[in-house]
Amino acid sequence: AQSVTQPDIHITVSEGASLELRCNYSYGATPYLFWYVQSPGQGLQLLLKYFSGDTLVQGIKGFEAEFKRSQSSFNLRKPSVHWSDAAEYFCAVGDPGGGNKLTFGTGTQLKVEL
Amino acid sequence: NAGVTQTPKFQVLKTGQSMTLQCAQDMNHEYMSWYRQDPGMGLRLIHYSVGAGITDQGEVPNGYNVSRSTTEDFPLRLLSAAPSQTSVYFCASSRRLSSGANVLTFGAGSRLTVL
Repeated sequence: AQSVTQPDIHITVSEGASLELRCNYSYGATPYLFWYVQSPGQGLQLLLKYFSGDTLVQGIKGFEAEFKRSQSSFNLRKPSVHWSDAAEYFCAVGDPGGGNKLTFGTGTQLKVEL
Repeated sequence: NAGVTQTPKFQVLKTGQSMTLQCAQDMNHEYMSWYRQDPGMGLRLIHYSVGAGITDQGEVPNGYNVSRSTTEDFPLRLLSAAPSQTSVYFCASSRRLSSGANVLTFGAGSRLTVL
């Protein structure tokens, strides 16, 4: 069965600092990979996705993620964090065989200090 | 475009009561699904549907029923609520991209408390 690990439950960064959120997955082949963001009291919004091809993918709000097959990782990065980036971030994997069954990590809560 | 609409946003039930969480999408998406979100556990799949008349169980289906009579609607029924079903519930829908992957669009969530 596929699984997703987000090892950092909470992360605090200063506004303007760089950010990296870690995500590791377990899957028999290369899955489809996603990062979602959830602001307080809101639903989840897709930040970016990886299906195939270029391993560095660009998303919305200045985020990017890099797929590293050898490390089974899909870490999310942003070069300069804004206070509005404070939210919970979820990594998810999907089965390339189809269907909408995503497996989510437990999430990383990001706090931004002004 | 309304996207995915969930009602109600908040609900308090007593143990043993029944209720239905409503979910509707106006994007003509084939796939619809229900997740529950609990602190420290991320989102877990309850039930999903690949089209009208077709449903299947996810990771945590016990205590929940679903049906899919139309493409637009995918209600989640709690037949006899238990305190363990206190959670935030998210409905999501998706279309099939040419690559075979599905990108989920989420509703705003329904917060359920069972006393």
